[in-house]
Amino acid sequence: NAGVTQTPKFQVLKTGQSMTLQCAQDMNHNSMYWYRQDPGMGLRLIYYSASEGTTDKGEVPNGYNVSRLNKREFSLRLESAAPSQTSVYFCASNGWQGDEQYFGPGTRLTVT
Amino acid sequence: GENVEQHPSTLSVQEGDSAVIKCTYSDSASNYFPWYKQELGKRPQLIIDIRSNVGEKKDQRIAVTLNKTAKHFSLHITETQPEDSAVYFCAGNAGNMLTFGGGTRLMVKP
Repeated sequence: NAGVTQTPKFQVLKTGQSMTLQCAQDMNHNSMYWYRQDPGMGLRLIYYSASEGTTDKGEVPNGYNVSRLNKREFSLRLESAAPSQTSVYFCASNGWQGDEQYFGPGTRLTVT
Repeated sequence: GENVEQHPSTLSVQEGDSAVIKCTYSDSASNYFPWYKQELGKRPQLIIDIRSNVGEKKDQRIAVTLNKTAKHFSLHITETQPEDSAVYFCAGNAGNMLTFGGGTRLMVKP
């Protein structure tokens, strides 16, 4: 049981490049989330998926898109990366909203 | 939406002392309040949570109290140890989302 996994662990992009961050969970959870964490800051919700087939905006959705590919996988896409998107990105999941969220190991993204 | 504020932002205690971190929330409909611990370079991990139908919850050296009327909740760590050094985040839910506080860096000096 791997829990929540994320790829890649590290990524460096140039301004304007695009990339997709991958997240998968093997706990049969319904809900999945994408957060960003800037240095010395808390976690801010980018997008979430309450259940397979649904996605909703969080606090800071601008510049991002998501896809809930199936129950296991939830990807985050940056279409045109900007230096302001330099951050650590965490994926999380839980069985139902209002329950413990389990976090992945994070992706450290730098945009130059 | 929900707004969660956390204090203090840094806290330094001597090993064996107690540590208290406080959070306030804005949305009276919030009913789930988790606390996460994040070690340097690691993922956040849940250490304790409390629901709005309970005023206090304890797990060994860690306890959380909730005052719904005042809309604040607190984390209490007793007999602190060096391995308690980390960043602690509180959170509150509003509908489908968790809103996190800004974090408290706890340093336990041996």
